[in-house]
Amino acid sequence: AQSVTQLDSQVPVFEEAPVELRCNYSSSVSVYLFWYVQYPNQGLQLLLKYLSGSTLVKGINGFEAEFNKSQTSFHLRKPSVHISDTAEYFCAVTLNQAGTALIFGKGTTLSVSS
Amino acid sequence: DAGVTQSPTHLIKTRGQHVTLRCSPISGHKSVSWYQQVLGQGPQFIFQYYEKEERGRGNFPDRFSARQFPNYSSELNVNALLLGDSALYLCASSPSGLDYEQYFGPGTRLTVT
Repeated sequence: AQSVTQLDSQVPVFEEAPVELRCNYSSSVSVYLFWYVQYPNQGLQLLLKYLSGSTLVKGINGFEAEFNKSQTSFHLRKPSVHISDTAEYFCAVTLNQAGTALIFGKGTTLSVSS
Repeated sequence: DAGVTQSPTHLIKTRGQHVTLRCSPISGHKSVSWYQQVLGQGPQFIFQYYEKEERGRGNFPDRFSARQFPNYSSELNVNALLLGDSALYLCASSPSGLDYEQYFGPGTRLTVT
């Protein structure tokens, strides 16, 4: 079975500072990896995904993530955050198999202040 | 193009009642998945339907059921509501049922009192 651990429940940062949100996963087989963002009272929006190929994945809103197979990690980074990045961020994994679900971590709350 | 739509946006029910939540996928998408997101947690998978057939089911009791219609819209039904069913229910659609292509709706906030 697959599982996801988001290592930080809350990450407070100042505007224009860099940020890293950490995600580790567990799986005995190859998985696909995702980061989603959820703004208050909204659904989930896909930031980026890793399916195969280059381990550095670039997404929307200036975010990027690096897949590290040996450390089973998929950390999300942004070099300079904005107030508008304040949201809940979810790491997720799935298998490339119809009917298998996205498995989410518990989320990390990113709070950006001025 | 319209995204995934869900109705209602919010609703309040009493313990023991039943509820029906509705989801319309993105045009052309044939698969719908349902997730439950309890406050402070990540979403948990409930069901996936593809071409009107159940393709996957999460670890939820039989009080939860779903179906998909010929136009690919879907309903999630929950019977004998418990306080613990209070959550945001998210619907996601995908063209083929493969989970790396899922697009989420805004959700339905269910409160059970």
